[in-house]
Amino acid sequence: GAGVSQSPSNKVTEKGKDVELRCDPISGHTALYWYRQSLGQGLEFLIYFQGNSAPDKSGLPSDRFSAERTGGSVSTLTIQRTQQEDSAVYLCASSLVVTSGDTQYFGPGTRLTVL
Amino acid sequence: AQKVTQAQTEISVVEKEDVTLDCVYETRDTTYYLFWYKQPPSGELVFLIRRNSFDEQNEISGRYSWNFQKSTSSFNFTITASQVVDSAVYFCALSRTNNNDMRFGAGTRLTVKP
Repeated sequence: GAGVSQSPSNKVTEKGKDVELRCDPISGHTALYWYRQSLGQGLEFLIYFQGNSAPDKSGLPSDRFSAERTGGSVSTLTIQRTQQEDSAVYLCASSLVVTSGDTQYFGPGTRLTVL
Repeated sequence: AQKVTQAQTEISVVEKEDVTLDCVYETRDTTYYLFWYKQPPSGELVFLIRRNSFDEQNEISGRYSWNFQKSTSSFNFTITASQVVDSAVYFCALSRTNNNDMRFGAGTRLTVKP
């Protein structure tokens, strides 16, 4: 596709349930990033992938959060045992490479609501 | 530590006015990149500009212009003759060169009234 796509666009879940958020980067982009944007807030960096590897997972808010990327393309962000404070828009971005301040192009986001 | 400050939370102007959005950054890196993104009501972040730390030349793109000053660690964004379609939240961001860890400011919500 032409841009970064994310699914679902909206997800409503009950507290304690697990959710999976999907990101499909721009074709040919080796780097992929996940951010979280809480209501009225800036973007919080969560994790990045170079290929299938995530060298630094320290940005993930808790051990309930995990992410994986397979085949150097699609990535999944999983939140286990969701809490109300997990409610936010989760944004995915991709860039050609990780280094040299390469421009990141963002998807439309997944709005997660935890009841 | 990397930090981006956008002191203006909200700005409201009338169409055709010029408006400047401020961005101040902190970094210990000598090489870094600065960005501006626009987030319209639809929610998708739109890339506007990327500037590396060695290039202090100001840039103009249509009604948009950017003023990068390393001496004051600022990267301000000016919209000339604003239009209603410019209404959005604008984010300034700072990126390192090794891992592209991008730090965003809190954003400035710009409202342009007709």
